[in-house]
Amino acid sequence: QITLKESGPTLVKPTQPLTLTCTFSGFSLTTTGVGVGWIRQPPGKALEWLALIYWHDDKRYSPSLKSRLTIAKDTSKNQVVLTMTNMDPVDTATYYCARFTFDILPGPFHHWGRGTPVTVSS
Amino acid sequence: SYVLTQPPSVSVAPGQTARITCGGDKIGSKTVHWFQQKPGQAPVVVIYDDTDRPSGIPERFSGTNSGNTATLTISGVEVGDEADYYCQVWDSTSEVVFGGGSKLTV
Repeated sequence: QITLKESGPTLVKPTQPLTLTCTFSGFSLTTTGVGVGWIRQPPGKALEWLALIYWHDDKRYSPSLKSRLTIAKDTSKNQVVLTMTNMDPVDTATYYCARFTFDILPGPFHHWGRGTPVTVSS
Repeated sequence: SYVLTQPPSVSVAPGQTARITCGGDKIGSKTVHWFQQKPGQAPVVVIYDDTDRPSGIPERFSGTNSGNTATLTISGVEVGDEADYYCQVWDSTSEVVFGGGSKLTV
């Protein structure tokens, strides 16, 4: 059974960095064709993709947020960590991590965590 | 960057057919995935690779993709289908792109 769970602070002050951890089970990020991504959703708004990491450690970032994001994996702990710098109230959202697979083309995010809410406020 | 356009809302009566569109430049040349999201829950894939249905998703859900429009069709809509629906593609420049979402009201 594949599960993912996001963890991190629920409240962050403006200008501070945010570090979120996705802890997963039921698969390994050393397996060819597997990846994990981060997606966020501000209250009442649409899904927004942030970053993803492939099994071979290739990383991709949203063009609009690339300068603020870092994604990394720790395969020994089955974790993927996302860091976002210089947080602003507009970054208030529920943050999700999700698993995808890559064959000839990337597949959908088939498995999602339940999400973790983050509020940016002083 | 690549943009996907969805109608903000779609309304249908129970038992009718709902069609939710997702517009994008030459989207027919890309692979489209559709997600259903109910309040307070994470998104769930209902259609992937344009037309495929994950196990557990009713046959009432189907997808097409051609030209500049992909369409999610829900036949015999039920009250339980009321949710937000998002289309998503992988783009060579923007990587992952989501549509703005469509709220289905039954």
